[in-house]
Amino acid sequence: DIQLTQSPSFLSASVGDRVAITCRASQDISSYLAWYQQKPGKAPKVLIYAASTLQSGVPSRFSGSGSGTEFTLTIASLQPEDFASYYCQQLHSYPLTFGGGTKVEIK
Amino acid sequence: QVQLVESGGGVVQPGRSLRLSCAASGFNFNRFGIHWVRQAPGKGLEWVARISSDGTSQHYADSVKGRFTISRDDSKNTVALQMNSLRADDTAFYYCARVVLHLSGNYFDYWGPGTLVTVSS
Repeated sequence: DIQLTQSPSFLSASVGDRVAITCRASQDISSYLAWYQQKPGKAPKVLIYAASTLQSGVPSRFSGSGSGTEFTLTIASLQPEDFASYYCQQLHSYPLTFGGGTKVEIK
Repeated sequence: QVQLVESGGGVVQPGRSLRLSCAASGFNFNRFGIHWVRQAPGKGLEWVARISSDGTSQHYADSVKGRFTISRDDSKNTVALQMNSLRADDTAFYYCARVVLHLSGNYFDYWGPGTLVTVSS
């Protein structure tokens, strides 16, 4: 099974900060990686797919990069509505797996 | 508009069974694979199962293999998750999600609001 290691697991930041979340895969998954945002009590929402493609309707301050085993989700300028949990997911092979998550909180 | 709505959650004793349903609307249901994902309270996301658009292929997480069965009824636009031999660690919110098959990478574009399953004596 492909393991995804996300870091950090917790991030404290201020509005306007640039933040980066890393996701490392235990084997090469090419670009078969998606990023999701989840707010308390809500279902996850896709932000990025194919490692770097911005989902329609998602603000351009979100970006994704990487391929193979190293991936990054970057938020260029953190906004109040971005305080949430973020998860990476590999869709390269079954069983599909998620990273452990990163909770972004207000400093 | 695209909608997925889960139902069937509740409190069940260890060792018993429960059947979840995911009702879909607003899109051509038989063109999409459907997945189940769960989340224990306060924990991360865990992928559970998948059924292909034509219903001929299923995959399961190791943690549920042999206990859970996913199926679909295209006449009713529903996907079911039959959960047998339930354990305390199956307690979670269960979400169904639609998968988009994209050339460069697949992803889950629509999710239901979730249904809570609590396994407790």
